[in-house]
Amino acid sequence: DSGVTQTPKHLITATGQRVTLRCSPRSGDLSVYWYQQSLDQGLQFLIQYYNGEERAKGNILERFSAQQFPDLHSELNLSSLELGDSALYFCASSAALADPYNEQFFGPGTRLTVL
Amino acid sequence: DAKTTQPPSMDCAEGRAANLPCNHSTISGNEYVYWYRQIHSQGPQYIIHGLKNNETNEMASLIITEDRKSSTLILPHATLRDTAVYYCIVKPETSGSRLTFGEGTQLTVNP
Repeated sequence: DSGVTQTPKHLITATGQRVTLRCSPRSGDLSVYWYQQSLDQGLQFLIQYYNGEERAKGNILERFSAQQFPDLHSELNLSSLELGDSALYFCASSAALADPYNEQFFGPGTRLTVL
Repeated sequence: DAKTTQPPSMDCAEGRAANLPCNHSTISGNEYVYWYRQIHSQGPQYIIHGLKNNETNEMASLIITEDRKSSTLILPHATLRDTAVYYCIVKPETSGSRLTFGEGTQLTVNP
């Protein structure tokens, strides 16, 4: 158990819909990262938040957005869903923004299926 | 971040050492080598990292060549639970912390 929790575990929805994925980082971790893992693209970094502020963006679509709340939990919002958005979405957390021991702790993931 | 090359798959007998190679010939002086693994559809798990010296922890050992262009992750006594995809990642210490995953090596530990 990494200490990172993600809900829901599974999500099935239809094209065009909007969903929200939730992540609670490890206690005390200020950085939260979102990754997407699909069969054809592998594990890809989407976005990072640090103490409530966006710090880095990766291959995140404009239909996707995220935020980190004062209690440090984070939500990833996916809208106008397409079949190709079906994937595993992982959240990870780390203690600091960037440090020599850049260990990220990953949650169990949310499996999104778009029908 | 420097690009890495890993074999797509490897097999290892249970109880034997698993040696997973990684080439990172374009690595820069300030870039670290990190290893993560992902057991079937679970979240990736940190294993070990190093800069230029060999490192060992309770999970594995990391051997980095003197020119730093390649490294080897060693699992000294592989078990069936070590079957996973192993990712070698090279990144600067202060690159904003994102991890860039390649395709990794699927290690299968056989009984």
